[in-house]
Amino acid sequence: GNSVTQMEGPVTLSEEAFLTINCTYTATGYPSLFWYVQYPGEGLQLLLKATKADDKGSNKGFEATYRKETTSFHLEKGSVQVSDSAVYFCALISGGGGYNKLIFGAGTRLAVHP
Amino acid sequence: SQTIHQWPATLVQPVGSPLSLECTVEGTSNPNLYWYRQAAGRGLQLLFYSVGIGQISSEVPQNLSASRPQDRQFILSSKKLLLSDSGFYLCAWSVQGANVLTFGAGSRLTVL
Repeated sequence: GNSVTQMEGPVTLSEEAFLTINCTYTATGYPSLFWYVQYPGEGLQLLLKATKADDKGSNKGFEATYRKETTSFHLEKGSVQVSDSAVYFCALISGGGGYNKLIFGAGTRLAVHP
Repeated sequence: SQTIHQWPATLVQPVGSPLSLECTVEGTSNPNLYWYRQAAGRGLQLLFYSVGIGQISSEVPQNLSASRPQDRQFILSSKKLLLSDSGFYLCAWSVQGANVLTFGAGSRLTVL
């Protein structure tokens, strides 16, 4: 079945360091791919998305490119800030018939220190 | 604009007691509705989804049930809570046919 695998956390970085969080997926067809972010004590917010191969999603300095050949959607940011500390979830859409079932990875906790 | 509300935000319940978490969406009609659970240290698991009033699909067998009595209202219930029901419950909605889900702020349930 469809699934998403993320690198295990926590990821601990110093401010202004480069961030990569790996995400790979298994799916039939051509899923849409997403990164959601969960700040402490809050629900999930959509960070970025890509709907077809070679698309690059970007938002708030974060980027991820839909790589069909490697079935990957790695999240990157060139210079992280303390305010980026959160849990990041990679996800794909699976479904049809009028509904969209979002399948999540396990989440990767990012801690950024000053 | 559309908004999604969940309540209560925090709940502490004894084992064996009932549960009712409520979710409502404003500013849209006929949304798809979802309940997810996030257990401590784990990822998100889809529990239920609904494409219309009275239409509920369950993803995993469990101690919980869901109902959709009105178009924009989605309720998560249990008759008798278990310790394993503790977690962070998230409601979400989407436009039918669209591929983006919008989440509520979540309800944290602790079963003692």
